[in-house]
Amino acid sequence: EAGVVQSPRYKIIEKKQPVAFWCNPISGHNTLYWYRQNLGQGPELLIRYENEEAVDDSQLPKDRFSAERLKGVDSTLKIQPAELGDSAVYLCASSPTGARANVLTFGAGSRLTVL
Amino acid sequence: GQSLEQPSEVTAVEGAIVQINCTYQTSGFYGLSWYQQHDGGAPTFLSYNALDGLEETGRFSSFLSRSDSYGYLLLQELQMKDSASYFCAVRDKTGFQKLVFGTGTRLLVSP
Repeated sequence: EAGVVQSPRYKIIEKKQPVAFWCNPISGHNTLYWYRQNLGQGPELLIRYENEEAVDDSQLPKDRFSAERLKGVDSTLKIQPAELGDSAVYLCASSPTGARANVLTFGAGSRLTVL
Repeated sequence: GQSLEQPSEVTAVEGAIVQINCTYQTSGFYGLSWYQQHDGGAPTFLSYNALDGLEETGRFSSFLSRSDSYGYLLLQELQMKDSASYFCAVRDKTGFQKLVFGTGTRLLVSP
């Protein structure tokens, strides 16, 4: 089966520009996560979806970040405008419900560099 | 909130055994997970301990002691390909039941 697919893999933009990341989770996984990972750090949760509902967006900087998961399948994370501190790897993950809800499958990530 | 502490780096030689510790502070959680991440790669799931005790999966084992707020990942018969970062993670029982990751332990395996 296909894993979690993310695009683009790399993005370089100038500060104040917008950027968007796309994620297609594993088929049948109802839960979708967006994490941000800075170099040498663990992933930090930005937002978690259960189907199309954002159940935890407490860590999402809502002044510049937005996300959507229309139809409860793929998802988009947007930053507008980007700041230098947003340079990081943006990881998407998905998991099933039930007994394996704690097994997250991550995508390869989108590495953002803001100049 | 939650906090998880791991050593920043561990070194070992091929064939050896290494233990990566994780101590945590949380008001309540469902279980302790471990993920492996190679440089430039995605984190991949290794193990999950919902109950106290040792879980074994091949060369990797994971242990949890809720009373001590402590867990560890044990890697046996180390191979060069085990060089990676290892993260422990807990899912909080309160609030949004957020899955929180530690800062990671970088394991360097030498010949």
